[in-house]
Amino acid sequence: SAVISQKPSRDICQRGTSLTIQCQVDSQVTMMFWYRQQPGQSLTLIATANQGSEATYESGFVIDKFPISRPNLTFSTLTVSNMSPEDSSIYLCSLLGGVFPSTDTQYFGPGTRLTVL
Amino acid sequence: AQTVTQSQPEMSVQEAETVTLSCTYDTSESDYYLFWYKQPPSRQMILVIRQEAYKQQNATENRFSVNFQKAAKSFSLKISDSQLGDAAMYFCAYRSLNTGTASKLTFGTGTRLQVTL
Repeated sequence: SAVISQKPSRDICQRGTSLTIQCQVDSQVTMMFWYRQQPGQSLTLIATANQGSEATYESGFVIDKFPISRPNLTFSTLTVSNMSPEDSSIYLCSLLGGVFPSTDTQYFGPGTRLTVL
Repeated sequence: AQTVTQSQPEMSVQEAETVTLSCTYDTSESDYYLFWYKQPPSRQMILVIRQEAYKQQNATENRFSVNFQKAAKSFSLKISDSQLGDAAMYFCAYRSLNTGTASKLTFGTGTRLQVTL
């Protein structure tokens, strides 16, 4: 069965620095997404990662803060830039379409737990 | 915009018993998907069950079943024969089928389920 992996699984960073999170799928998928889950809260969509073009950001999220790349149909990165303690969250990639059991359902990676000091 | 409401922040059930988690949503659309995801302490989001709005029959997956009341915009999850491994955060989610927002998931705030011996 298809596998979704994220790197790193967790990290502790200093404020003002940047962290790039990678999401890798072992098969081609149509759409990839990035979500944020702040402590004790639900998931909020950051953006849709579009293959070969600029990501589509949700209200409240901007490219300068969360640049996203998707160079092909199996890989995407999310960078959290100029971090502050408020960026401490779990970041999850998800995907839709391709060879997964259902092309109508989003499946999630294992998440990256980020702590900013 | 759609909203998803989970009015039970926490629930508790004894092992082998049955528990029902509530979810209501607000939408003006007639066609959409509804999902229940489970998030254990490992933070991996795991699909539990999904329901297509055009289907009158309630979805079931082994010990998990839903009570989908379209007119009432209600989508509850019933877990039968509860097991210790069912302890997790459960999120209800809505997915529109409109072209502009077709892939976006809107999540509720979650219900934390405890399973006791």
